[in-house]
Amino acid sequence: AQKVTQAQTEISVVEKEDVTLDCVYETRDTTYYLFWYKQPPSGELVFLIRRNSFDEQNEISGRYSWNFQKSTSSFNFTITASQVVDSAVYFCALRYNYGQNFVFGPGTRLSVLP
Amino acid sequence: DGGITQSPKYLFRKEGQNVTLSCEQNLNHDAMYWYRQDPGQGLRLIYYSQIVNDFQKGDIAEGYSVSREKKESFPLTVTSAQKNPTAFYLCASSDAGGSSYNEQFFGPGTRLTVL
Repeated sequence: AQKVTQAQTEISVVEKEDVTLDCVYETRDTTYYLFWYKQPPSGELVFLIRRNSFDEQNEISGRYSWNFQKSTSSFNFTITASQVVDSAVYFCALRYNYGQNFVFGPGTRLSVLP
Repeated sequence: DGGITQSPKYLFRKEGQNVTLSCEQNLNHDAMYWYRQDPGQGLRLIYYSQIVNDFQKGDIAEGYSVSREKKESFPLTVTSAQKNPTAFYLCASSDAGGSSYNEQFFGPGTRLTVL
């Protein structure tokens, strides 16, 4: 079965702390893509990153970094020096079945306290 | 600007009434999706459509209906058969898959409240 697990329901950190959001996925497909989205209080989902199953290079974008490890089926997301504006719900998602299907994880609510 | 529009942003409905939520995209995407989100919960797929005049049920289709007469439009009707319709509804679109595995683009959402 295709599935995305985000075991951390809620995380609270103090501003400037680093925080890692975990994502574990299951799929039988050999070709698939993984995504992270941010949902701020306004509600609209904002796309953050896409990673394909053949590219295990880690990626850094400013304060954001992603660690993709096929051996553990994980695609974790780290925010360095967190800020209050990072407070949101973060969703990990998987696209599979020749791209016809998406499945989302349950989300992790991140609260960054001043 | 390319994107997805949903209207209205807030919608109030009396019990027993059907209501239709609008979703329009100008991204030239073949696939469109409707999700429901309850407070503090994740996204649940209601319906999706890979091509005009075709759509499939998602995980929670009961009490909902859709149509896909145009590529740009994918309206969702919440019928009186939906027992607990108060929720936040998100529309999304993407390419159809095959050789492309791009992200879904999301609209701003419609918050439906049943009075």
